Amino acid sequence: AQKITQTQPGMFVQEKEAVTLDCTYDTSDQSYGLFWYKQPSSGEMIFLIYQGSYDEQNATEGRYSLNFQKARKSANLVISASQLGDSAMYFCAMREGIHMRFGAGTRLTVKP
Amino acid sequence: EAGVTQFPSHSVIEKGQTVTLRCDPISGHDNLYWYRRVMGKEIKFLLHFVKESKQDESGMPNNRFLAERTGGTYSTLKVQPAELEDSGVYFCASSQGRNPYGYTFGSGTRLTVV
Repeated sequence: AQKITQTQPGMFVQEKEAVTLDCTYDTSDQSYGLFWYKQPSSGEMIFLIYQGSYDEQNATEGRYSLNFQKARKSANLVISASQLGDSAMYFCAMREGIHMRFGAGTRLTVKP
Repeated sequence: EAGVTQFPSHSVIEKGQTVTLRCDPISGHDNLYWYRRVMGKEIKFLLHFVKESKQDESGMPNNRFLAERTGGTYSTLKVQPAELEDSGVYFCASSQGRNPYGYTFGSGTRLTVV
């Protein structure tokens, strides 16, 4: 079975600095998709970014970028110029069939 | 376009009681999924509907959990009788096909069993 590992239960970052949230995965599939979601205190799960296993370039969406290292099976999320509103739980996920497998999450706190 | 709506947002019940969670997917989305996050652990898949049919219910923890999707629209997840370990956040998501950008989550229902 696939497995998603997020080794950082909590992270702190100073406002306006960049932060990297780690995610490693384990799969024997050749074709797969990786996702990052943000869960603010209000509870909703917000889609941030997607990386396909065959995508040659790292995905970027505004201040979010995904550092995809296929050989290492890692898909780290980089948030540039952190804002106070970035404080939230962040989940890495992989599509498993038609549903998702998630990591345990990382709680990011942005300090003013 | 309205998003995925879940009701209630919070529920506190006593052990042994019954609770029913509801999810209204995005209109036109045939795929509906239930997930849950038990405190401090990862979000886990429970089951998947395609229209009114259960496509995959491999994640349902036991027979105290019953999910339905009558008419292929909204879905309910009933827990009867609730146990302490059922506490957590229950998420619903919907999608139309396999488009990763079309996989939309609701805000979740926080269930506390005391």
